[in-house]
Amino acid sequence: QKEVEQDPGPLSVPEGAIVSLNCTYSNSAFQYFMWYRQYSRKGPELLMYTYSSGNKEDGRFTAQVDKSSKYISLFIRDSQPSDSATYLCAMGWGAQKLVFGQGTRLTINP
Amino acid sequence: ETGVTQTPRHLVMGMTNKKSLKCEQHLGHNAMYWYKQSAKKPLELMFVYNFKEQTENNSVPSRFSPECPNSSHLFLHLHTLQPEDSALYLCASSQGNRASPSNTEAFFGQGTRLTVV
Repeated sequence: QKEVEQDPGPLSVPEGAIVSLNCTYSNSAFQYFMWYRQYSRKGPELLMYTYSSGNKEDGRFTAQVDKSSKYISLFIRDSQPSDSATYLCAMGWGAQKLVFGQGTRLTINP
Repeated sequence: ETGVTQTPRHLVMGMTNKKSLKCEQHLGHNAMYWYKQSAKKPLELMFVYNFKEQTENNSVPSRFSPECPNSSHLFLHLHTLQPEDSALYLCASSQGNRASPSNTEAFFGQGTRLTVV
């Protein structure tokens, strides 16, 4: 079993839709949970991170962590074509101890 | 220049060649990393350096040889690679330190797209 499971997609939705991206994990010791966004031909950039369980909101983005279910989610509201990218979940104990998911390729259609 | 810069952006090399990838960070960070990103696979951490010292090597084959001359520069020397080594090689940095090596954010460069023929 992989430590972090993420559906690679591709996922295609119309502009304005709510997008839900998810990852499951097996290691209950993970403390930090992150979402990176990677545009084509670019390196990943940190979008959001949470420590332990709970929700975190930043504009149109909401990150959720459910440690009891070992499940994390990223919600994108009012999705825009500029949100089209690959979204990578990552988790661990900080920048030096991160395990990444495979990434979900998302396309927002105008 | 700001952030993390990688050169070259693209590299094609034969299996008998020797080449080097270069990474430079302008963020004042103390930790630098090499990652490998292959199609349909998660990012794989290869090496970690803290204050120029290698602190992690994730069972990477010896045909990949990292070098960290100072906290701002990181190299990956390549020799006798295999076609399966073709991938995007990403450099990253973070504000690590010996007492508390775990910081939350790693900043990535744009990567070097390597093709081994």
